[in-house]
Amino acid sequence: DTAVSQTPKYLVTQMGNDKSIKCEQNLGHDTMYWYKQDSKKFLKIMFSYNNKELIINETVPNRFSPKSPDKAHLNLHINSLELGDSAVYFCASSARGTDNEQFFGPGTRLTVL
Amino acid sequence: KQEVTQIPAALSVPEGENLVLNCSFTDSAIYNLQWFRQDPGKGLTSLLLIQSSQREQTSGRLNASLDKSSGRSTLYIAASQPGDSATYLCAVPLGGGSEKLVFGKGMKLTVNP
Repeated sequence: DTAVSQTPKYLVTQMGNDKSIKCEQNLGHDTMYWYKQDSKKFLKIMFSYNNKELIINETVPNRFSPKSPDKAHLNLHINSLELGDSAVYFCASSARGTDNEQFFGPGTRLTVL
Repeated sequence: KQEVTQIPAALSVPEGENLVLNCSFTDSAIYNLQWFRQDPGKGLTSLLLIQSSQREQTSGRLNASLDKSSGRSTLYIAASQPGDSATYLCAVPLGGGSEKLVFGKGMKLTVNP
């Protein structure tokens, strides 16, 4: 199936740990994103990469570090997890130069205890 | 600064009704607007993307309209069904060709059988 996929779907961890979320898209898109949806369901962009280069970097703590090994992958590494990091993280992708319709992954629910 | 508003935050209707979901945005310099659907515990599904040069876009029972000058979009759902129950979000790019999407907080729709 052509889609945006994320792993894991659920992640429960202790404060202070370091964790990673992986994202892959097989849509042939060149731009990928990470969004955070908080407990109030508000979606906000965190990062955007185009052809492995960072193009959007919102005001996000530097504990969050995205890594794009190639156009089809954008992983999110989080250091020293805090309680406030608990949220659902969504990966998305789009094809630059077109209408930029964004396609989303199923989300990763992160719970920090 | 672009702000997107969706009112009401929730709507409960009996099956079969024709529905109008509203979305307003503060900066009319957008090049498209995207409507999404989010089911509980799931990712976002792109429903319709309407370009700034278009006034309407249709997909099945869904019809989206865009009035840039007034900063409004509506999503019309014909003959609603229980399967339409979900949260509906609209989003616009920040502007200037940016891929950054600014989301509304969504409208939770419940269609009762």
